[in-house]
Amino acid sequence: GAVVSQHPSRVICKSGTSVKIECRSLDFQATTMFWYRQFPKQSLMLMATSNEGSKATYEQGVEKDKFLINHASLTLSTLTVTSAHPEDSSFYICSAPDPKSTDTQYFGPGTRLTVL
Amino acid sequence: RKEVEQDPGPFNVPEGATVAFNCTYSNSASQSFFWYRQDCRKEPKLLMSVYSSGNEDGRFTAQLNRASQYISLLIRDSKLSDSATYLCASFRGYQAGTALIFGKGTTLSVSS
Repeated sequence: GAVVSQHPSRVICKSGTSVKIECRSLDFQATTMFWYRQFPKQSLMLMATSNEGSKATYEQGVEKDKFLINHASLTLSTLTVTSAHPEDSSFYICSAPDPKSTDTQYFGPGTRLTVL
Repeated sequence: RKEVEQDPGPFNVPEGATVAFNCTYSNSASQSFFWYRQDCRKEPKLLMSVYSSGNEDGRFTAQLNRASQYISLLIRDSKLSDSATYLCASFRGYQAGTALIFGKGTTLSVSS
């Protein structure tokens, strides 16, 4: 079946550095991908919609200059957390809709970010 | 009001128990609803889609009540392996393929 991968699965960085997370659709094309963030014991909160070839759409309260999204190809979206702070430590998950089955969305395995 | 609201629990039940989760949604135009299961530190996995007529898959039954704008998930004969967080979700927009909006999740702990 279709698979969405994320890299890295886990990253620890120092405060003030930038971290890039990749989300790839492995055997289908995704013109749209979604980025979620999940804090401990919280739900998945939609951060932004990544659109291939155009600007991402951010949810209210999500800083677009801090969370840079680039959807450079039909199989890759990247999320860059710039100038990371400890409060950015979270579980970041991407998803992509199945182009053949409108009710289906494939989730990546997630990236656990820890900012020291 | 949040788009999808869910009682976070936790629900602590013994093996063999029947447990029900409910979720309410605010967008009356929403067409598609889902129950996802999420294990600790993992991505959510689709458990069931929820149809107006209700649907059943083994020990799991999902129902949709459009008039009251809520969906439910019933788990019968709980197993230890059912311990997880269950999230309800619906599409943000009217069409499938838009972003999924999740409830807060309900934590289930099944003990022997």
